[in-house]
Amino acid sequence: GGIITQTPKFLIGQEGQKLTLKCQQNFNHDTMYWYRQDSGKGLRLIYYSITENDLQKGDLSEGYDASREKKSSFSLTVTSAQKNEMAVFLCASSQDKSSGNTLYFGEGSRLIVV
Amino acid sequence: GDSVTQTEGPVTVSESESLIINCTYSATSIAYPNLFWYVRYPGEGLQLLLKVITAGQKGSSRGFEATYNKETTSFHLQKASVQESDSAVYYCALGVNSGTYQRFGTGTKLQVVP
Repeated sequence: GGIITQTPKFLIGQEGQKLTLKCQQNFNHDTMYWYRQDSGKGLRLIYYSITENDLQKGDLSEGYDASREKKSSFSLTVTSAQKNEMAVFLCASSQDKSSGNTLYFGEGSRLIVV
Repeated sequence: GDSVTQTEGPVTVSESESLIINCTYSATSIAYPNLFWYVRYPGEGLQLLLKVITAGQKGSSRGFEATYNKETTSFHLQKASVQESDSAVYYCALGVNSGTYQRFGTGTKLQVVP
């Protein structure tokens, strides 16, 4: 088995501030993802990465940057935090497209903008 | 584009009653996408409940079943007799971009009452 660790669990920042969320996985999975979860809107893909140093934009990438410097880690930066961005951010990883590409999720990081 | 529509919650069901949570999908990028149900129990992270990667097949887990119906583009989640421990938020998802990532529905909160 493996685990996905997201830090911090709660990230409090001021409006306009640049804020970074981190994610580590020990599954040795190739692909990693960042999703944003808003109440009543489900999960929306922000960025994903199919291998080290690769970045692919999702449906909600504007206002975010991502970085995949190592296979095991994937960070997400909110470039200028806004109050309407308060949400839970979920990191996930997956390995095998041929078996359906199950996503394994971290417990989430809640962003609070004051 | 590719999208998922599922039953809006919250859904309240009495213990031992049957349950169906509807999920329909629209897939334009791939003819037969992989289909998933994920679940988040209170206090836990999002995890796979079941998946089906072949049209016409049924997936099952923890007493839940879902059949991949390509004619009606549906993947409804069913259980014959729910328990209080089934109280959770359920998300339907489909694999897009050749399965590289998944697009999620808005989630259905299920509350099972005694």
